[in-house]
Amino acid sequence: DIVMTQSPDSLAVSLGERATINCKSSQSLSYTTNNKNYLAWYQQKPGQPPRLLIYWASTRESGVPDRFSGSGSGTDFTLTISSLQAEDVAVYYCQQFYSTSALTFGGGTRVEIK
Amino acid sequence: EVQLVESGGGLVQPGRSLRLSCAASGFKFDDHAMHWVRQGPGKGLEWVSGTSWNSGIIAYADSVKGRFIVSRDDAKNSLYLQMDSLRAEDTAMYYCAKGSGRRSFSYWYFDLWGRGTLVTVSS
Repeated sequence: DIVMTQSPDSLAVSLGERATINCKSSQSLSYTTNNKNYLAWYQQKPGQPPRLLIYWASTRESGVPDRFSGSGSGTDFTLTISSLQAEDVAVYYCQQFYSTSALTFGGGTRVEIK
Repeated sequence: EVQLVESGGGLVQPGRSLRLSCAASGFKFDDHAMHWVRQGPGKGLEWVSGTSWNSGIIAYADSVKGRFIVSRDDAKNSLYLQMDSLRAEDTAMYYCAKGSGRRSFSYWYFDLWGRGTLVTVSS
């Protein structure tokens, strides 16, 4: 199975500051046939189900604020919150969908307000 | 309203069985892959099983292979998870999730989630 490793496990950021979350896969998530990276990001707030934020590593889901952005390719990916808001306190997960026989998530990164 | 509603969770003894259901509404169910994802208490997300739009592709996590069976009834807009030989480590919130895309252009990330149903395996 493809192993997804997120870092850090948690981070505390001041309101209005940038938050950066990293996700590394044990093998490339990029298909050469379509040049797409099979990586998604989710946000999960306490007591709620996850919510899709980003897919194809950098495409923002409809309705997601533009302060959320995804980048990266191959095995290294990043989710950036450009200006942290109070409502962004949550746990964030990356997920690979390159291998449909065994989908895997990262361990999660908890974002808090400093 | 576009939604997924899970049911069937509860307290069950180790070794026993349970069947979860997911009722879909507000979208064309038979166009989409559907999945089960679980989350143990205080833990991260774990994909459990998925089925393509036509049940032509069905996959399971190694942790449940041989014990769980996923199925769908398109006439009822419903997804199911039959869970046998349950273990304490199966204790989790079980989410139903809709796969993105349609039919042959489906991608296995999740653009709609239910609120989950809690399964507790304990004697």
